[in-house]
Order: sequence, then C-alpha cells, then structure tokens
Amino acid sequence: DAGITQSPRHKVTETGTPVTLRCHQTENHRYMYWYRQDPGHGLRLIHYSYGVKDTDKGEVSDGYSVSRSKTEDFLLTLESATSSQTSVYFCAIRPGGRAYEQYFGPGTRLTVT
Amino acid sequence: AQKITQTQPGMFVQEKEAVTLDCTYDTSDPSYGLFWYKQPSSGEMIFLIYQGSYDQQNATEGRYSLNFQKARKSANLVISASQLGDSAMYFCAMREGPDTGTASKLTFGTGTRLQVTL
Repeated sequence: DAGITQSPRHKVTETGTPVTLRCHQTENHRYMYWYRQDPGHGLRLIHYSYGVKDTDKGEVSDGYSVSRSKTEDFLLTLESATSSQTSVYFCAIRPGGRAYEQYFGPGTRLTVT
Repeated sequence: AQKITQTQPGMFVQEKEAVTLDCTYDTSDPSYGLFWYKQPSSGEMIFLIYQGSYDQQNATEGRYSLNFQKARKSANLVISASQLGDSAMYFCAMREGPDTGTASKLTFGTGTRLQVTL
C-alpha cells in the first residue's frame, strides 16, 4: 500500500463546469503524476510534479492545470470540462532514489455530460 | 511512431500454462527502463516487474519474468504457471533517461487483455 488516495472516486459533471481532482499521499514522496486512461490509448501523462510548486506538462496537458502547494497533495483542475475529458484519472507517486517504479492511486472516474 | 507497442489486444491461456505477452519499444536514449503493470477488473494498477537498459540479466519476480532482448527492442512479459487470478489487462511502459535524479515519466502501451481459462 503506497498510501495514495484520490477524491472523489466518481464524479459526473456538466460541460463547461470546473472540476478539481485531488491526490493525497502520506509518505512525503517527491514525485507525483496525473495520468488519464482511455480505451485504446493506455495511460497518458497529463502533468507531473517534482516538488512543492514544481510542476511540468506531460503528453496531454491541454485543458488541464495542476497545483502542488504541499508535498502530500497534488491537485488536477479541469478549468472548463469537456466531453473529451471523460476518462479515468490516475494519480501516481514515485518514491525516488533507487526505486524505479511508480505506484498508482485507485483512480477517479469522471464523466462529463 | 509509437514508443511502446503491444500487438496482442487479447490472449487466452489455460490454467497452469505459461504465457508470453509481447512488448516492443522505440527509443534512441541509451538509458531507459521498462515496466509491466497489471490492471485487474477492479481497476487498480499493480506494478509487476522492472528492467533497466543496462541490466545484464533478465528481471524476475516470482512467476513473472521479463524477456529483455535489447537488439530487438523487445521486453516481453512471461507469466509461468498461469492462475485464474492472472486474468487482467497488462500494460508495458517505458521510462526514457536515467533512473535517478529525474521525474521518470512513463509512456504506456495500449495493453493486452489476458484471460486464463480452466
């Protein structure tokens, strides 16, 4: 158990509304990531963070922003949700050092109607 | 070009048999890492095994082994003695660049759905 929680776990929202997804970790890991999973695409990186207030874009960052004001929390915001952002969103952490793998949270299923 | 290619959308294997899931990758970076993850129907992503580009030996973790053929740019997952609980989606992923001091972004393949039958 990597101590990662995501909230909410499920959300239905309307097109044009803002949405914020939260990722919380309990072990002070430096690196955190947001991915989205869609059929036929596997997982794709949206944004990542390498420390408090240090973030960068991933492969599919358009329409998303992130913030990390505390080590334990990494927020993903959809400023104005669109139907194309209907997806399952996964947060991940990487312990750093000699640990190579990323550990994933349980995921958030977001539906934009 | 796809960085990670998994050409088998679905596979069937009988219980207790071995199965190989294919993964090919494309990178010009001499330092990279290859990962396999399992996603059961419950949805969580479970890390299975890792292989670094400079590792001399193929990685093994219990019933999982990674058949790493660097010249062919392939990193196939071998599951020995399949169990019903192995039925899941399996994803191959790659990190380009060194494994320390960087954010270690992963690129995933599209996955292979494995069904283990009696």
